Parts: sequence; C-alpha cells; structure tokens
Amino acid sequence: SAVISQKPSRDICQRGTSLTIQCQVDSQVTMMFWYRQQPGQSLTLIATANQGSEATYESGFVIDKFPISRPNLTFSTLTVSNMSPEDSSIYLCSVVPQGVLGYTFGSGTRLTVV
Amino acid sequence: AQKITQTQPGMFVQEKEAVTLDCTYDTSDQSYGLFWYKQPSSGEMIFLIYQGSYDEQNATEGRYSLNFQKARKSANLVISASQLGDSAMYFCAMREPYSGGGADGLTFGKGTHLIIQP
Repeated sequence: SAVISQKPSRDICQRGTSLTIQCQVDSQVTMMFWYRQQPGQSLTLIATANQGSEATYESGFVIDKFPISRPNLTFSTLTVSNMSPEDSSIYLCSVVPQGVLGYTFGSGTRLTVV
Repeated sequence: AQKITQTQPGMFVQEKEAVTLDCTYDTSDQSYGLFWYKQPSSGEMIFLIYQGSYDEQNATEGRYSLNFQKARKSANLVISASQLGDSAMYFCAMREPYSGGGADGLTFGKGTHLIIQP
C-alpha cells in the first residue's frame, strides 16, 4: 500500500489569502484525487489530477479557486485561493496504488480561515 | 438525487455485539465498486472493505463483511464482535466509471457515527 505525506497538517489563514497543500506519494500513481470535508460533513471530490494534463474538476469547483498542479507521478498540490471562512474544511488527497483495491488517503489538512 | 444513502446518522451498540451499517446506492452503470471507510476522531480515512459489482461472493476482511444485495442496490457493512476501538464515523462510497466528469473518484455517503458502549 502507498504512503502519502500531506502538508501542512493544519493551518489558520486570513481571509483573502491563499494556501497551497502538498501531497507526496512514495510510489508512482496515475491519478491523484483531492477531496474536501466540511465540518461535520462527508467527503466531496474536488478534482482529479492526472500527470501531464489539466485537472478535471467536479461540479461546483473551479480552477480559479482550486488550482492544482501535478508535475510528476508522485506529487501534487492543491491551492485554495482567495480564502473565505466558508473554505474552512479538511482537505484530503487520495490515490489508488497499483495492485490495491482501496484508495489510500493522506492524513488531511485542517484549514481554518479567519 | 443522492448516489449513496446512509440512513443511520448515529448508532449506539453494546461491546461484543454485531452491528450492521446500512448503505444503498444509485447507479445506472453495470460496472462499479463499493467501499467502506472508517474515520476515527483523528480524521484519517481507513479503508475497510471493497465489493465489485461483478463479484458474486460477499467481501470479507477479518471482522468486517459486506452484505451485497445487487438487485436491491444495497451494500451493508457488518462488523462482528464490536470493540470499543470501532467507535468512529463510517462512510460508504462508490466508484463509477466516470462520475461527475472525473474519472474514478469516489462518491461518499453522509456517514454513520458508530459508538460502541462498554
């Protein structure tokens, strides 16, 4: 199974600023997925990042607000731009390691916007 | 319409009892996958069990089993001999071939908060 290092684990940010979240995987993976978990809620898929192409965003999420980079097969970043208190959530990255059935998740980034 | 429905927001179960967490799903695809995850208060997502739509046998992983009833579009998680450490949020999730424009991402239910009492 893959190991994902997600940074930062938590942050408190001022409204109007941006935060970049990093995910590093210890093996090469084709797809990386980014999710948001709002307080007390379930996980919602933000976008799918494939190396070498633009990320595919789910309905309700746009690239200007959540730009994603995927420079290689082991790394991706998600930026939360021009933050407002409504962006306060846990953000998680996820991958499907080769030969494994389950999706592996990073430990999450707890973001609080004040 | 919700794709994954978990009708039990919270459950209290006595330690050592078996517990069933309900999950129904909605899809028109023939090929899909169903997953259960555990999320303790620490926030990590722990993969428990997987059932493919073409799998004829119910999946089992240790104390976890998945009661898959395809015609009813039901994929209930059964935990045998519950333990205090089983207290957590449990999420049912589905992978469709192309959900919402993305490839292979998971759609999650709202979750069930399970509390095991001594």
